[in-house]
Amino acid sequence: ETGVTQSPTHLIKTRGQQVTLRCSSQSGHNTVSWYQQALGQGPQFIFQYYREEENGRGNFPPRFSGLQFPNYSSELNVNALELDDSALYLCASRLGVEETQYFGPGTRLLVL
Amino acid sequence: SQKIEQNSEALNIQEGKTATLTCNYTNYSPAYLQWYRQDPGRGPVFLLLIRENEKEKRKERLKVTFDTTLKQSLFHITASQPADSATYLCALESGASKIIFGSGTRLSIRP
Repeated sequence: ETGVTQSPTHLIKTRGQQVTLRCSSQSGHNTVSWYQQALGQGPQFIFQYYREEENGRGNFPPRFSGLQFPNYSSELNVNALELDDSALYLCASRLGVEETQYFGPGTRLLVL
Repeated sequence: SQKIEQNSEALNIQEGKTATLTCNYTNYSPAYLQWYRQDPGRGPVFLLLIRENEKEKRKERLKVTFDTTLKQSLFHITASQPADSATYLCALESGASKIIFGSGTRLSIRP
């Protein structure tokens, strides 16, 4: 176990809806990253938060947004869901740059 | 454009042999590179990190090399076992706090 938890484990939404995914990092880990992983692909970096501020972003549109809270939890919000948003969403926390990333088990999102 | 490529989608080898996986990158100058293992339906698990000034790193049956001239990392599993069967991912951190993953190599060790 990595000490990183995610909820829910599975979710089904319809196109156009909004979704919020949650992650609880290891205590003391002030850096959290979110990834999208399609079947058969590597994780794609969505964004990273450090001390509640976004400090890195991948090639994802603004309808993907996030929040990080002082209690080491974080959220990924996706608005106006599209069919292609169906994927495994992973969060990973770490102490800082060049430190080990610890991944959660992921949330599998299906958009119909 | 920046790219990371892992040499093959799948690798099938006999138990006891050494598995060698390749990760090539272009248009990056990473300070370090990481390797992860991922089992079906699970999140990736960190295995090893190697820095640009390190040629080789070992951990038990695992060995990683990093050649910044060739822009390549090799990941070796010696004395492979069926329990080593999984997808292996390489990842590097570009500037601006972005961690980029390759698409992974699915390794199968047959008894």
